[in-house]
Amino acid sequence: KQEVTQIPAALSVPEGENLVLNCSFTDSAIYNLQWFRQDPGKGLTSLLLIQSSQREQTSGRLNASLDKSSGRSTLYIAASQPGDSATYLCAVPAGGTSYGKLTFGQGTILTVHP
Amino acid sequence: SAVISQKPSRDICQRGTSLTIQCQVDSQVTMMFWYRQQPGQSLTLIATANQGSEATYESGFVIDKFPISRPNLTFSTLTVSNMSPEDSSIYLCSAPGVGTDTQYFGPGTRLTVL
Repeated sequence: KQEVTQIPAALSVPEGENLVLNCSFTDSAIYNLQWFRQDPGKGLTSLLLIQSSQREQTSGRLNASLDKSSGRSTLYIAASQPGDSATYLCAVPAGGTSYGKLTFGQGTILTVHP
Repeated sequence: SAVISQKPSRDICQRGTSLTIQCQVDSQVTMMFWYRQQPGQSLTLIATANQGSEATYESGFVIDKFPISRPNLTFSTLTVSNMSPEDSSIYLCSAPGVGTDTQYFGPGTRLTVL
């Protein structure tokens, strides 16, 4: 059974810092990994999807890397801003599928203070 | 991408009653997915809603408690039956974007059972 773990559980940083969120998964037979953002009481916003054949994926100040063999992914946020404050979730699809039946980590609660 | 809407956005219900949640996708998709997010927890997949066939439920979730309809390729409903306070959660539906593995989520339905 796939298990997804995220560390740290919570992170508080001053504005402008670069930061790294970590995600690990136990079954490396994945097609892709997706990072989401969730604001309090809201749904999920897709940030990045990185395919198993890719090493990195970038969107603006966000950069996601994937090391499938070691079962790890990182989300790098450059020059953090108070608006980045949210819960960040990583998720992988069930074995043999490329989408849909996602297993989520517990999330990292990020607070960026001015 | 995919734009997903849900109704209602929130509700407060009495123990023993049922609530039906609607999910609408702006494109035709083969599969839609229903998730539950209990307070302070991450997301857990309830079931896959297949158009033209019965929904597929994950371990721990049963059709009598969470009946699902999928009348066409853009719409699905999830009913939470015979509710108890333990059913208080955010319920989210999701679907893949057209031609992509990226999973998109609706804004969620926040359910409180008294």
